[in-house]
Amino acid sequence: QVQLQESGPGLVKPSDTLSLTCTVSGGSISGYYWSWIRQPPGKGLEWIGHIYYSGNTNHNPSLKSRVTISVDTSKNQFSLKLSSVTAADTAVYYCARDRTLPFRYFDYWGQGTLVTVSS
Amino acid sequence: QSALTQPASVSGSPGQSITISCTGTSSDVGGYNDVSWYQQHPGKAPKLMIYDVSKRPSGVSNRFSGSKSGNTASLTISGLQAEDEADYYCSSYTSISTFEFGGGTKLTVL
Repeated sequence: QVQLQESGPGLVKPSDTLSLTCTVSGGSISGYYWSWIRQPPGKGLEWIGHIYYSGNTNHNPSLKSRVTISVDTSKNQFSLKLSSVTAADTAVYYCARDRTLPFRYFDYWGQGTLVTVSS
Repeated sequence: QSALTQPASVSGSPGQSITISCTGTSSDVGGYNDVSWYQQHPGKAPKLMIYDVSKRPSGVSNRFSGSKSGNTASLTISGLQAEDEADYYCSSYTSISTFEFGGGTKLTVL
């Protein structure tokens, strides 16, 4: 059974960079896309972006160039960096596994980690 | 504002059926069968309930079904049970190789 676990600081200062890591266990990171998805308190889900195990990435255009996603196959981990954060970036951040062709969806999710942006 | 439009809330009595709609455009829901639905209980991670418009993952009750017509996808839950009370989100792949979610629908079992 594949399991995902997010880790990283729960508090980030405005204008700083938010950094999170997702560790995958019970399966290999190879052969799949891996996504970051967030959910502001009391609001809906927002897809941030994803990375293929080989390093190809794509992200939500609404986040412009603030998003960097990387992968470390040797550690079975992938990471998110979100720069220049504001209070609007306060959310529960989830990592998830993408299923790709022929069907695209998210089949395994981490439990989520709350990141608060505040001074 | 979410890219896909869902009703904010729906409700039904135990045993009844309800349907949640998810409206997009020809660049997402209407253009791809990569429509999926997720159930989220308070404080929990979302759980995949439907993928490829109408397919159920192993372990998901056959009371859950999905369909699509044009730019609108739908999730139907039949034989409502108390445990079905949760938030439901639709998701679609898009023409620019991204994913979108709906704003979520709160299901109340009366």
